[in-house]
Amino acid sequence: GAVVSQHPSWVICKSGTSVKIECRSLDFQATTMFWYRQFPKQSLMLMATSNEGSKATYEQGVEKDKFLINHASLTLSTLTVTSAHPEDSSFYICSAKTSGRPQETQYFGPGTRLLVL
Amino acid sequence: AQKVTQAQTEISVVEKEDVTLDCVYETRDTTYYLFWYKQPPSGELVFLIRRNSFDEQNEISGRYSWNFQKSTSSFNFTITASQVVDSAVYFCALSEEGTGGFKTIFGAGTRLFVKA
Repeated sequence: GAVVSQHPSWVICKSGTSVKIECRSLDFQATTMFWYRQFPKQSLMLMATSNEGSKATYEQGVEKDKFLINHASLTLSTLTVTSAHPEDSSFYICSAKTSGRPQETQYFGPGTRLLVL
Repeated sequence: AQKVTQAQTEISVVEKEDVTLDCVYETRDTTYYLFWYKQPPSGELVFLIRRNSFDEQNEISGRYSWNFQKSTSSFNFTITASQVVDSAVYFCALSEEGTGGFKTIFGAGTRLFVKA
């Protein structure tokens, strides 16, 4: 099956620093990538949708200047948490979708745990 | 608007018991897709099943079975003869192509504890 990787899997940083998380589709071209955030014991919440070569579409309540998303190629999307604060500590999960059939299928990455001290 | 409701927050069963996880969804679209995912403590989502809105056939895969009923907008998941390894959080999800593009919404999740 299709594989999506995320790097890093764990990151601990100091408050005020920026953190970049990479999401790669390893064996298919991902025309659309999604970024989710999951707080402990909660569900996955969609943060933004990015299409290759276009600006990301952010969900209501998600600060686009805080969470920078770049989808520069068909296999890579990055999420940068700028000036991270402890409340940004969360589990970030990306997923990727191809333009071909089955169009409704998303492939999820293993997630990145961010801890901001 | 899309909505997925998993009313059961936590379920605790003893090994070998059957357990059903409920999922109710809301959508205005006639074409949509329903999913179940398992999230073990490691956090990585494990895909279990996908159903499209035109396929109401129930499905059985080993100890897992799914009951999709459009009349009640439900897509329930049953684990037969549960095992300790089934302990995880299970998410029901709904995908559709809306005006804002393709989007997947997750339910709140049901945490399943299977005790030996």
